[in-house]
Amino acid sequence: AQSVAQPEDQVNVAEGNPLTVKCTYSVSGNPYLFWYVQYPNRGLQFLLKYITGDNLVKGSYGFEAEFNKSQTSFHLKKPSALVSDSALYFCAVREWGGGNKLTFGTGTQLKVEL
Amino acid sequence: NAGVTQTPKFQVLKTGQSMTLQCAQDMNHNSMYWYRQDPGMGLRLIYYSASEGTTDKGEVPNGYNVSRLNKREFSLRLESAAPSQTSVYFCASSGRTGDPTDTQYFGPGTRLTVL
Repeated sequence: AQSVAQPEDQVNVAEGNPLTVKCTYSVSGNPYLFWYVQYPNRGLQFLLKYITGDNLVKGSYGFEAEFNKSQTSFHLKKPSALVSDSALYFCAVREWGGGNKLTFGTGTQLKVEL
Repeated sequence: NAGVTQTPKFQVLKTGQSMTLQCAQDMNHNSMYWYRQDPGMGLRLIYYSASEGTTDKGEVPNGYNVSRLNKREFSLRLESAAPSQTSVYFCASSGRTGDPTDTQYFGPGTRLTVL
């Protein structure tokens, strides 16, 4: 079975500082990994995905994520946080060949303060 | 191009009442999904439809039924609502698995309260 862990319920960062939101995963085979963002009272918006190839994936709004197979991690990063980045972030995984059923983490609330 | 739309946005039901949540997508996607979001639990898959004419159970299907009406529309029905079904419901759609379009895109959600 596939699973995702987001070990931090909340991450606080000062504006202008780098941010990292952590995600680790478990699948039987090769992973297919996603990050989504949810603003208050809105649906989930797709940020980026890792399929194969380059371990550093660039996505929307200046976000990027680093795939690390040995640590089974897919941490979301941004070099310089903005107050407008404050939102709920979800990591999700599916297994290659396992259809398109995503398994989501429990989410990490990012708060960027002035 | 509206993407994925859901109706209604909000609904309050009494225990035992029934209702149908509607979802439509205009991206010509093959696959559609229904999730529920509860605090501290992330999103959990209720049902999905890999293609028109097929539906399958997800992680939490009990108490729900679905209909894939056509390629665009996928509805979720609660036959006899229970307080445990109080949640935010999201519909999503995606292209065929393995295609570049197989990223799931989400609707704005329906906030349901069952009293």
